[in-house]
Parts: sequence; structure tokens; C-alpha cells
Amino acid sequence: GAVVSQHPSWVICKSGTSVKIECRSLDFQATTMFWYRQFPKQSLMLMATSNEGSKATYEQGVEKDKFLINHASLTLSTLTVTSAHPEDSSFYICSADLLAGGTDTQYFGPGTRLTVL
Amino acid sequence: GQQLNQSPQSMFIQEGEDVSMNCTSSSIFNTWLWYKQDPGEGPVLLIALYKAGELTSNGRLTAQFGITRKDSFLNISASIPSDVGIYFCAGQGIYNQGGKLIFGQGTELSVKP
Repeated sequence: GAVVSQHPSWVICKSGTSVKIECRSLDFQATTMFWYRQFPKQSLMLMATSNEGSKATYEQGVEKDKFLINHASLTLSTLTVTSAHPEDSSFYICSADLLAGGTDTQYFGPGTRLTVL
Repeated sequence: GQQLNQSPQSMFIQEGEDVSMNCTSSSIFNTWLWYKQDPGEGPVLLIALYKAGELTSNGRLTAQFGITRKDSFLNISASIPSDVGIYFCAGQGIYNQGGKLIFGQGTELSVKP
């Protein structure tokens, strides 16, 4: 149980194009999902909190117009990197929050490797 | 802001040895989580701790939530080559909004056969 998928697993795009990454909770519903970015040999950096049916909450320094987040259902959140540039190349990971028995636990997707040429 | 200090940063051990890593914080946390991340993959949950003083095992892994709510350790017994990876602790603070996690810097484990 508690499986989270991401699609695509990797993507290469040209500078100036937009890329959409999907995050799905496969066997549970998630009111809240999170988007992280990770650089090599570093820890995960939270970019934004995605709330079903409402606007995402972005961390300080993360451009909301650059990284568009949509959480249209209880099992799907999408991150769109708009007008991508080489500096946006990174490993993007989502997580979904499972609420059960009075506790909440984040389960992570397998990540999406974005390379912007 | 809340920070987690995870140590050691890296470990090189022989197969069969036991491993111990820990996280400390100046802030109190409600929940401690331990994840393992393989190269090119997302973190996988190993153990979740919800109560101060809680000691939980998952196979060869054992983790404890410190009684002060400011620290946690993870032990791996009889390490094997597939234990190689980066281990992260993560805490969910009492005053965190919306379930956000604070991550430690990670412990990179290398196991020599």
C-alpha cells in the first residue's frame, strides 16, 4: 500500500519550452501533496505544498509563475515548469500525505529527472 | 527556523557490521521519519515514529524517537551490500503547518563486501 507514481521518469526539453510532471497516489487519496527539488549529493528542498481544490503554497524563493501546480483531484497533482532554462535541470520529487489513524505520513514518488538543453 | 542535524555525513563499513546514525534538533518534533534513497530514485519510507520514547523495528532496522522529542537514531544490524544508499531523517514539527517535513542532510552509507 501507499504507492505514489510520477510521470515521466525523465524528460529532456529545449530551453523555453514547458514541461508537465504528474504525481499520482495510486492506492490512497491525498488532500495534500508536496513537490521537492533535489540537486546531486544534497537533501530534498521543499518547493511547494499542493492542496486539493485550492491554491498551492510556495516556499520562500520559489516562483509561483515559474512552477505552476494544480491539484485537481485527490489522487493527482501536476507541476508545470514554464519556460524552462538549463538552471531548472534537476531531480523533481513529489510526495503524497497519507492520513490514517490520527497520523500523517508522506510517501514519495520515484522522481522525475528534468534536463533542459 | 527548524533544522535537523544528521550525522555522520558518510559511513564506509564492512559487510556484516552494525550501523548507527542519528538526528538532533533544537526544536521539538511531533513525528520522526527515516527514509532511504537509492541513486536516481525517490526516498522510501523505512520507519515512522509518532510517540516520544517509541522504539520501532523493521527487519534489521531499529529506530527510536527521543524522549525529549528533539532527537532520533536509526540502527542497521548486520549490514549487507543492498543497504548502500543515502539515509534521511525527517521531522514534522509541532508548529509546522500542513504537514511539512524538515529533512536532515543525509547519511551516505557504503558497504564493502
